[in-house]
Amino acid sequence: AQTVTQSQPEMSVQEAETVTLSCTYDTSESDYYLFWYKQPPSRQMILVIRQEAYKQQNATENRFSVNFQKAAKSFSLKISDSQLGDAAMYFCAYRSADTGNQFYFGTGTSLTVIP
Amino acid sequence: DAMVIQNPRYQVTQFGKPVTLSCSQTLNHNVMYWYQQKSSQAPKLLFHYYDKDFNNEADTPDNFQSRRPNTSFCFLDIRSPGLGDAAMYLCATSRGGGSYNEQFFGPGTRLTVL
Repeated sequence: AQTVTQSQPEMSVQEAETVTLSCTYDTSESDYYLFWYKQPPSRQMILVIRQEAYKQQNATENRFSVNFQKAAKSFSLKISDSQLGDAAMYFCAYRSADTGNQFYFGTGTSLTVIP
Repeated sequence: DAMVIQNPRYQVTQFGKPVTLSCSQTLNHNVMYWYQQKSSQAPKLLFHYYDKDFNNEADTPDNFQSRRPNTSFCFLDIRSPGLGDAAMYLCATSRGGGSYNEQFFGPGTRLTVL
């Protein structure tokens, strides 16, 4: 099974500043998908951003962007202009393009936004 | 809006008393998942259905079972809950077959075992 590692259990950022959350993964596959999910306290898990492995261009969604380094098997999430509502657990996840149905999650990073 | 619905949101049961958690979806996704999530941890996959094909994780205890009577509904049965089974249970759906599409999660059912 693929493994996903988030080495930062907790992070904090000042409101309006930028923060980067790290994620690395281990796979022998060449085609796969990567996701960042956000889980606010006591609320539903939602998708933040996704990346297709065969696309070199880094995905962006408004204030959220990724730095995808395929050779290094790294997939970090950058949050710009951090807002109080960004406070949440963030999970990195991997999905194979071939075997496909399982999502492998990292252990999560708890992000605190300081007013 | 298309969504994933879980009932109940909070469930209290007694040690050893069977409990059933429910999940329904209006997304018409062919894959449905059950996860167990304990405080501040990653969701742990228990099993998933790809259409009617049931896929059990190797380390899922026999105490946990699932049923998917149709595309829209999926149930999680805990036959004899122990104190260690107290957790949030998340249902999720996705399109199957190595899809680019993400999982959609329900709000979860928080299970308390007394």
